[in-house]
Amino acid sequence: DAKTTQPNSMESNEEEPVHLPCNHSTISGTDYIHWYRQLPSQGPEYVIHGLTSNVNNRMASLAIAEDRKSSTLILHRATLRDAAVYYCILPNTGNQFYFGTGTSLTVIP
Amino acid sequence: EAGVAQSPRYKIIEKRQSVAFWCNPISGHATLYWYQQILGQGPKLLIQFQNNGVVDDSQLPKDRFSAERLKGVDSTLKIQPAKLEDSAVYLCASSSSSGRYNEQFFGPGTRLTVL
Repeated sequence: DAKTTQPNSMESNEEEPVHLPCNHSTISGTDYIHWYRQLPSQGPEYVIHGLTSNVNNRMASLAIAEDRKSSTLILHRATLRDAAVYYCILPNTGNQFYFGTGTSLTVIP
Repeated sequence: EAGVAQSPRYKIIEKRQSVAFWCNPISGHATLYWYQQILGQGPKLLIQFQNNGVVDDSQLPKDRFSAERLKGVDSTLKIQPAKLEDSAVYLCASSSSSGRYNEQFFGPGTRLTVL
């Protein structure tokens, strides 16, 4: 299974952009990069995913390095509701997820 | 579209007792997953079903845990007998298929406390 490395925690001021990094140096050419987040007392929820090109949706943007060994989840304007644990995941061939410990994002009012 | 349903939401039992959790995935989703999330850790996959067949149960402690998915829809996860270290949130997730581009949809989880 391809492994990911994320910082344990990050802080951001409300209404400012947040860049959450993820390293995945052993990624293979067919590995998708998924981001999920888990709000307190809830199950994880999908944020965004991509393969090679940068991706945008209503929640966030995903910037993928040209060599694909790292990626960055971008929240354009952090709100208090974005305080959560963010997981960067490379599913294996059966779409099985290894979550790791993720990055705990604190948003400061 | 209705999400993944789980019940009960909370359960408190004493060690050596039995407990069962129920999951109803999103309609039409062929793949179903059970995860265990211990406090302070990320979810850990226990078992994956494709329709009513087991794809992977390598992380399931089979001496005490069992799971089934009859008719390829609902699923139950059972622990018998429970140990203190089984205290965790048990999450059920489903996806339309097992392709690596597929989103997994998670239920709210069942919080189990073993005393």
